[in-house]
Amino acid sequence: GAVVSQHPSWVICKSGTSVKIECRSLDFQATTMFWYRQFPKQSLMLMATSNEGSKATYEQGVEKDKFLINHASLTLSTLTVTSAHPEDSSFYICSAPTRGVSYEQYFGPGTRLTVT
Amino acid sequence: QKEVEQNSGPLSVPEGAIASLNCTYSDRVSQSFFWYRQYSGKSPELIMSIYSNGDKEDGRFTAQLNKASQYVSLLIRDSQPSDSATYLCAVKDNYGQNFVFGPGTRLSVLP
Repeated sequence: GAVVSQHPSWVICKSGTSVKIECRSLDFQATTMFWYRQFPKQSLMLMATSNEGSKATYEQGVEKDKFLINHASLTLSTLTVTSAHPEDSSFYICSAPTRGVSYEQYFGPGTRLTVT
Repeated sequence: QKEVEQNSGPLSVPEGAIASLNCTYSDRVSQSFFWYRQYSGKSPELIMSIYSNGDKEDGRFTAQLNKASQYVSLLIRDSQPSDSATYLCAVKDNYGQNFVFGPGTRLSVLP
C-alpha cells in the first residue's frame, strides 16, 4: 500500500506555544489530505480537509484560526496548532487518498501532542 | 447526514475461532467500502477494500458486501491474539473524497 509519514511522532509543548505537524505522502501525490484527531478510547474525528493550492475545508466546530492547515505541495500538508492549550492534547493523524483504479485512504503513523 | 454504524463491542472470541464484525451505512449511493484495523495507540491500517456485492477474500480475512441491505461485514478466520484491535468500517460515496468512518468495534481474541 501507499506510504504516508508524519513528523514528529510525539511532541510536548507548553501552553500558549504553537506546534507544527507535517504529513507527507512518500510514494504518491496527494492533492487532498485529511487531518483527524482522536482522544483516548474515542473514535476518529475528522478536523479538516487539506487541499493543495487552495484553502482547507474545516469541519463544523473546528476553529480554523487555531488549527492552521497549509497544503504546500502535492506531497506535503502541515497542521499548526496555535496557542496550544492542555485540552488540545490528543493524537493527531493525517491521511491521504490514492487515485486511479482504486481509491483508498492511507493513514500516517500519527502525532501524539501533549500540552503542559 | 451520512452515517456508518458498528457495534462498539468488545467482541470476544477464543483463539482459532471466526470473528465476525458488522457494519451498516445510511447512504444508498455509497460505492466503496473499507475495513481498517487500529491497534491501541497506533493509527488505522487498511486491511480490506470491497466495491462489489459478494465476498472478497484476502488470507484470513473475508469482506462481505450487500448493497441492497446496506451492510458490510468482515470475517477473520483462525483468529489470533494479535488480531485484538479496534476494527473501523469506512464508506465512501461517489461524490466527495472523504470517507465516513464508523465508531469501530473492539475485538479481543482470547488465548
